[in-house]
Amino acid sequence: DSGVTQTPKHLITATGQRVTLRCSPRSGDLSVYWYQQSLDQGLQFLIQYYNGEERAKGNILERFSAQQFPDLHSELNLSSLELGDSALYFCASSGIRERNTIYFGEGSWLTVV
Amino acid sequence: AQSVTQLDSQVPVFEEAPVELRCNYSSSVSVYLFWYVQYPNQGLQLLLKYLSGSTLVKGINGFEAEFNKSQTSFHLRKPSVHISDTAEYFCAVSETGGGNKLTFGTGTQLKVEL
Repeated sequence: DSGVTQTPKHLITATGQRVTLRCSPRSGDLSVYWYQQSLDQGLQFLIQYYNGEERAKGNILERFSAQQFPDLHSELNLSSLELGDSALYFCASSGIRERNTIYFGEGSWLTVV
Repeated sequence: AQSVTQLDSQVPVFEEAPVELRCNYSSSVSVYLFWYVQYPNQGLQLLLKYLSGSTLVKGINGFEAEFNKSQTSFHLRKPSVHISDTAEYFCAVSETGGGNKLTFGTGTQLKVEL
């Protein structure tokens, strides 16, 4: 158990809908990262937050957004969903205890039908 | 920008045999190196990492990896594999001082057979 908690574990939704994925980082970790894993794109970095502020942005679509709240949990919002958005979405976190190392949650499986 | 190449998409091996999973990287700056493992229908688990110091690093489950700067490689090895090692293995790099953003390889599926 990495200590990173993600909900929901599985989600099935229709095209055009909007979903929110939630992540609680390891206790004390200030940084949260979101990654997408799909068959055709592999593991791709989406976005990073540090203590509530956006720190780095990767290949995140404009239809996707994220935020990190004062209690350090994070949410990834996916809107106007398309079939191609079906993927495993990982949250990860890092902190001072182990600099330069990020730990991943179990992921949220999103299926768009 | 960095890139990671895992040339072997699949590696079949018999139980108790040794295995090496290859990883090469490209970067214009110094990097940290990682191996993560993904068991079927599970998340990514950190196997081992190289940040600095000894180029031979040991991880969980008997795995080890050696950082070779001249060959820009970070191959993963295990002297004797078990059925339970069947999983997908991902090599990843991040820039030192780059905020921990990881760039992953495409993964190597290790299949251990009896």
